[in-house]
Amino acid sequence: NAGVTQTPKFRVLKTGQSMTLLCAQDMNHEYMYWYRQDPGMGLRLIHYSVGEGTTAKGEVPDGYNVSRLKKQNFLLGLESAAPSQTSVYFCASKGSRLADSYEQYFGPGTRLTVT
Amino acid sequence: RKEVEQDPGPFNVPEGATVAFNCTYSNSASQSFFWYRQDCRKEPKLLMSVYSSGNEDGRFTAQLNRASQYISLLIRDSKLSDSATYLCVVNMGSSGSARQLTFGSGTQLTVLP
Repeated sequence: NAGVTQTPKFRVLKTGQSMTLLCAQDMNHEYMYWYRQDPGMGLRLIHYSVGEGTTAKGEVPDGYNVSRLKKQNFLLGLESAAPSQTSVYFCASKGSRLADSYEQYFGPGTRLTVT
Repeated sequence: RKEVEQDPGPFNVPEGATVAFNCTYSNSASQSFFWYRQDCRKEPKLLMSVYSSGNEDGRFTAQLNRASQYISLLIRDSKLSDSATYLCVVNMGSSGSARQLTFGSGTQLTVLP
Protein backbone atom coordinates (compact mmCIF):
# COMPACT_ATOMS: atom_id res chain seq x y z
CA ASN A 1 0.00 0.00 0.00
CA ALA A 2 1.24 3.47 -0.91
CA GLY A 3 -0.94 5.10 1.77
CA VAL A 4 -1.55 8.75 0.92
CA THR A 5 0.27 10.27 -2.03
CA GLN A 6 0.36 13.86 -3.23
CA THR A 7 1.21 15.35 -6.59
CA PRO A 8 3.24 17.48 -7.20
CA LYS A 9 5.83 17.63 -4.42
CA PHE A 10 6.98 21.15 -5.30
CA ARG A 11 5.57 23.96 -7.41
CA VAL A 12 6.30 27.61 -8.08
CA LEU A 13 3.47 29.75 -9.41
CA LYS A 14 3.19 33.34 -10.45
CA THR A 15 0.45 35.47 -8.93
CA GLY A 16 -2.82 34.87 -10.75
CA GLN A 17 -1.94 31.44 -12.11
CA SER A 18 -4.06 28.43 -11.33
CA MET A 19 -3.18 24.89 -10.36
CA THR A 20 -4.61 21.68 -8.94
CA LEU A 21 -3.06 19.56 -6.22
CA LEU A 22 -3.93 15.88 -6.33
CA CYS A 23 -4.25 13.63 -3.30
CA ALA A 24 -4.78 9.88 -3.62
CA GLN A 25 -5.26 7.23 -0.95
CA ASP A 26 -5.45 3.46 -1.28
CA MET A 27 -6.83 2.66 2.19
CA ASN A 28 -10.50 2.89 1.22
CA HIS A 29 -10.97 5.75 3.65
CA GLU A 30 -14.20 7.74 3.60
CA TYR A 31 -12.81 10.96 5.03
CA MET A 32 -10.22 13.13 3.36
CA TYR A 33 -8.78 16.50 4.33
CA TRP A 34 -6.64 19.32 2.97
CA TYR A 35 -4.48 21.33 5.38
CA ARG A 36 -1.98 24.10 4.99
CA GLN A 37 0.97 24.55 7.31
CA ASP A 38 2.67 27.89 7.83
CA PRO A 39 5.52 28.72 10.24
CA GLY A 40 4.24 29.28 13.77
CA MET A 41 0.63 28.57 12.76
CA GLY A 42 0.27 24.82 12.99
CA LEU A 43 -1.83 22.94 10.46
CA ARG A 44 -5.08 24.62 9.44
CA LEU A 45 -7.92 22.83 7.72
CA ILE A 46 -8.86 24.18 4.29
CA HIS A 47 -11.60 21.79 3.13
CA TYR A 48 -12.61 18.24 3.89
CA SER A 49 -14.80 15.49 2.50
CA VAL A 50 -16.86 12.84 4.26
CA GLY A 51 -17.38 10.78 1.14
CA GLU A 52 -17.40 10.63 -2.63
CA GLY A 53 -19.22 13.61 -4.08
CA THR A 54 -19.31 15.60 -0.83
CA THR A 55 -17.10 18.43 0.39
CA ALA A 56 -17.21 20.94 3.24
CA LYS A 57 -15.35 24.07 4.26
CA GLY A 58 -12.77 24.06 6.97
CA GLU A 59 -11.13 26.88 8.87
CA VAL A 60 -9.45 28.68 5.94
CA PRO A 61 -11.36 27.87 2.71
CA ASP A 62 -11.13 31.21 0.89
CA GLY A 63 -9.24 31.09 -2.39
CA TYR A 64 -9.48 27.30 -2.68
CA ASN A 65 -11.90 24.84 -4.23
CA VAL A 66 -12.04 21.08 -3.91
CA SER A 67 -13.61 18.08 -5.58
CA ARG A 68 -14.08 14.43 -4.59
CA LEU A 69 -15.31 12.71 -7.74
CA LYS A 70 -13.77 9.39 -6.77
CA LYS A 71 -13.47 8.00 -3.26
CA GLN A 72 -9.73 7.59 -3.51
CA ASN A 73 -8.97 11.09 -4.83
CA PHE A 74 -9.34 14.55 -3.34
CA LEU A 75 -8.34 17.53 -5.47
CA LEU A 76 -7.46 21.00 -4.21
CA GLY A 77 -7.64 23.86 -6.70
CA LEU A 78 -6.25 27.36 -6.60
CA GLU A 79 -8.06 29.45 -9.20
CA SER A 80 -5.94 32.59 -8.94
CA ALA A 81 -2.87 32.09 -6.79
CA ALA A 82 -1.77 34.81 -4.36
CA PRO A 83 1.51 35.15 -2.44
CA SER A 84 -0.47 34.53 0.78
CA GLN A 85 -1.06 31.00 -0.47
CA THR A 86 2.64 30.19 -0.27
CA SER A 87 2.63 27.28 2.13
CA VAL A 88 3.08 23.55 2.60
CA TYR A 89 -0.10 21.67 1.77
CA PHE A 90 -0.87 18.33 3.38
CA CYS A 91 -3.60 15.92 2.46
CA ALA A 92 -4.87 13.38 5.00
CA SER A 93 -7.36 10.54 5.11
CA LYS A 94 -9.20 8.69 7.88
CA GLY A 95 -11.49 5.72 8.22
CA SER A 96 -15.15 6.26 9.14
CA ARG A 97 -15.90 3.25 11.29
CA LEU A 98 -15.95 3.44 15.07
CA ALA A 99 -13.46 0.60 15.06
CA ASP A 100 -11.09 2.59 12.90
CA SER A 101 -8.14 4.27 14.44
CA TYR A 102 -8.44 7.91 15.42
CA GLU A 103 -5.45 8.49 13.27
CA GLN A 104 -5.43 10.68 10.23
CA TYR A 105 -2.84 9.49 7.72
CA PHE A 106 -0.96 12.26 6.00
CA GLY A 107 0.61 12.53 2.57
CA PRO A 108 4.19 13.81 2.17
CA GLY A 109 3.12 17.37 1.41
CA THR A 110 3.30 19.81 -1.49
CA ARG A 111 5.53 22.87 -1.14
CA LEU A 112 3.96 25.73 -3.05
CA THR A 113 5.57 29.10 -3.62
CA VAL A 114 3.62 31.95 -5.22
CA THR A 115 5.74 34.83 -6.48
CA ARG B 1 -6.80 32.92 21.97
CA LYS B 2 -5.60 29.88 20.02
CA GLU B 3 -7.68 26.73 20.49
CA VAL B 4 -4.58 24.65 21.20
CA GLU B 5 -1.51 26.32 22.65
CA GLN B 6 1.97 24.93 22.99
CA ASP B 7 5.34 26.33 23.99
CA PRO B 8 7.15 26.49 20.62
CA GLY B 9 10.56 25.91 22.19
CA PRO B 10 13.07 25.08 20.92
CA PHE B 11 14.00 22.58 23.58
CA ASN B 12 17.65 21.55 23.29
CA VAL B 13 18.46 18.65 25.60
CA PRO B 14 21.38 16.23 25.93
CA GLU B 15 20.98 12.56 25.11
CA GLY B 16 19.53 10.66 28.03
CA ALA B 17 17.68 13.64 29.45
CA THR B 18 14.02 13.69 30.40
CA VAL B 19 11.96 16.39 28.73
CA ALA B 20 8.33 17.39 29.14
CA PHE B 21 6.02 19.28 26.80
CA ASN B 22 2.79 20.93 27.81
CA CYS B 23 -0.28 21.91 25.89
CA THR B 24 -3.53 23.64 26.80
CA TYR B 25 -6.80 23.60 24.88
CA SER B 26 -9.65 26.06 25.07
CA ASN B 27 -12.73 24.01 24.15
CA SER B 28 -14.01 22.03 27.12
CA ALA B 29 -16.17 19.92 24.78
CA SER B 30 -13.07 18.38 23.17
CA GLN B 31 -13.30 14.60 23.22
CA SER B 32 -10.04 13.10 22.12
CA PHE B 33 -6.43 14.09 22.34
CA PHE B 34 -3.23 13.11 20.62
CA TRP B 35 0.42 13.81 20.19
CA TYR B 36 1.73 13.78 16.64
CA ARG B 37 5.37 13.88 15.65
CA GLN B 38 6.63 15.79 12.64
CA ASP B 39 10.17 15.41 11.37
CA CYS B 40 11.78 18.27 9.49
CA ARG B 41 10.11 18.74 6.09
CA LYS B 42 7.99 15.62 6.56
CA GLU B 43 4.35 14.89 7.24
CA PRO B 44 2.90 14.58 10.76
CA LYS B 45 2.52 11.07 12.14
CA LEU B 46 0.58 9.89 15.14
CA LEU B 47 2.83 9.33 18.14
CA MET B 48 0.21 8.39 20.70
CA SER B 49 -3.30 9.03 21.88
CA VAL B 50 -3.82 10.62 25.29
CA TYR B 51 -6.26 9.06 27.73
CA SER B 52 -7.71 10.46 30.93
CA SER B 53 -6.02 7.76 32.96
CA GLY B 54 -2.65 8.57 31.42
CA ASN B 55 -0.85 6.20 29.14
CA GLU B 56 2.66 5.08 28.46
CA ASP B 57 4.38 3.75 25.36
CA GLY B 58 7.97 2.82 26.06
CA ARG B 59 9.85 6.00 26.91
CA PHE B 60 6.83 8.20 26.21
CA THR B 61 4.15 9.06 28.76
CA ALA B 62 1.09 11.17 28.00
CA GLN B 63 -1.24 12.72 30.55
CA LEU B 64 -4.57 14.50 30.27
CA ASN B 65 -6.14 16.78 32.84
CA ARG B 66 -9.66 17.60 31.68
CA ALA B 67 -10.40 19.91 34.61
CA SER B 68 -7.44 22.12 33.72
CA GLN B 69 -7.73 21.44 29.97
CA TYR B 70 -4.10 20.48 29.91
CA ILE B 71 -2.15 17.75 28.09
CA SER B 72 1.44 16.72 28.62
CA LEU B 73 4.04 14.51 26.98
CA LEU B 74 7.06 13.20 28.87
CA ILE B 75 10.02 11.69 27.05
CA ARG B 76 12.51 9.76 29.17
CA ASP B 77 16.05 8.80 28.20
CA SER B 78 16.00 11.04 25.11
CA LYS B 79 17.56 9.68 21.93
CA LEU B 80 19.01 11.61 19.00
CA SER B 81 16.19 10.15 16.91
CA ASP B 82 13.63 11.90 19.12
CA SER B 83 14.60 15.24 17.54
CA ALA B 84 11.44 16.48 15.85
CA THR B 85 8.51 18.81 16.32
CA TYR B 86 5.78 17.50 18.60
CA LEU B 87 2.24 18.57 17.79
CA CYS B 88 -0.52 18.61 20.38
CA VAL B 89 -3.80 17.71 18.67
CA VAL B 90 -7.38 17.88 19.87
CA ASN B 91 -10.51 16.39 18.30
CA MET B 92 -14.10 17.36 19.00
CA GLY B 93 -15.51 14.06 17.71
CA SER B 94 -15.35 10.33 18.39
CA SER B 95 -13.12 7.89 16.56
CA GLY B 96 -15.61 7.30 13.74
CA SER B 97 -16.28 10.98 13.28
CA ALA B 98 -15.08 13.19 10.47
CA ARG B 99 -14.71 16.03 12.91
CA GLN B 100 -11.50 17.73 12.14
CA LEU B 101 -8.40 17.77 14.25
CA THR B 102 -7.19 21.04 15.75
CA PHE B 103 -3.42 21.28 15.82
CA GLY B 104 -1.14 23.22 18.08
CA SER B 105 1.73 24.97 16.36
CA GLY B 106 4.20 22.44 17.73
CA THR B 107 7.14 22.24 20.11
CA GLN B 108 10.55 21.75 18.56
CA LEU B 109 12.90 19.29 20.27
CA THR B 110 16.57 18.82 19.49
CA VAL B 111 18.45 16.09 21.32
CA LEU B 112 22.16 16.83 21.40
CA PRO B 113 24.93 14.20 21.48
